[in-house]
Amino acid sequence: EVQLQESGPGLVKPSQSLSLTCSVTGYSITSNYWDWIRKFPGNKMEWTGYISYSGSTRYNPSLKSRISITRDTSKNQFFLQLNSVTTEDTATYYCARYKLAGTYFDYWGQGVMVTVSS
Amino acid sequence: DIQMTQSPASLSASLEEIVTITCQASQDIGNYLSWYQQKPGKSPQLLIHSATSLADGVPSRFSGSRSGTQYSLKINRLQVEDTGIYYCLQHYSAPWTFGGGTKLELK
Repeated sequence: EVQLQESGPGLVKPSQSLSLTCSVTGYSITSNYWDWIRKFPGNKMEWTGYISYSGSTRYNPSLKSRISITRDTSKNQFFLQLNSVTTEDTATYYCARYKLAGTYFDYWGQGVMVTVSS
Repeated sequence: DIQMTQSPASLSASLEEIVTITCQASQDIGNYLSWYQQKPGKSPQLLIHSATSLADGVPSRFSGSRSGTQYSLKINRLQVEDTGIYYCLQHYSAPWTFGGGTKLELK
């Protein structure tokens, strides 16, 4: 069974960097696409970006140059780094698998809530 | 970016009632539309993909349809376990964009 698990600090100070890990079991991240999605207080959802099976990345332009998604295939993990965070980055962050053949998100992590506050 | 206008924002319905949620895309997105259900404290779960295809394991009372750039999720005979927040998502053109969500409650 495919499982995804996010981990990372729940509290980040403004202007610092947010770093999250998604650990995947039951499936290799060298297949399909692997995304980060966030849900803001008030229920708005935003796609932040993905890393593909080949290691290529694509990001939401709204995050401009603050975002980076990388991976460690030996550990079957991928990572989100968001720099220069503000309180507007407070959200629950989910990692998810995007199934290319079907074009949908079929597996999600349970989510990790990140608060940006001093 | 493609805008997905979802309505209603909230909905209260009775058991066994028929419920319809819609998403209007700001441009053509073909069938690159999926629907998700999210319960409190849980991650979103796929209901419908490719606008009209029922995901594996999803009850048949859920269905999706498309008319031009308007997409609908229909729940026949609403059940208690159907409460939650529903989202549409377009993945025709990056950045993928979600509708604003519909909070469905039982009356």
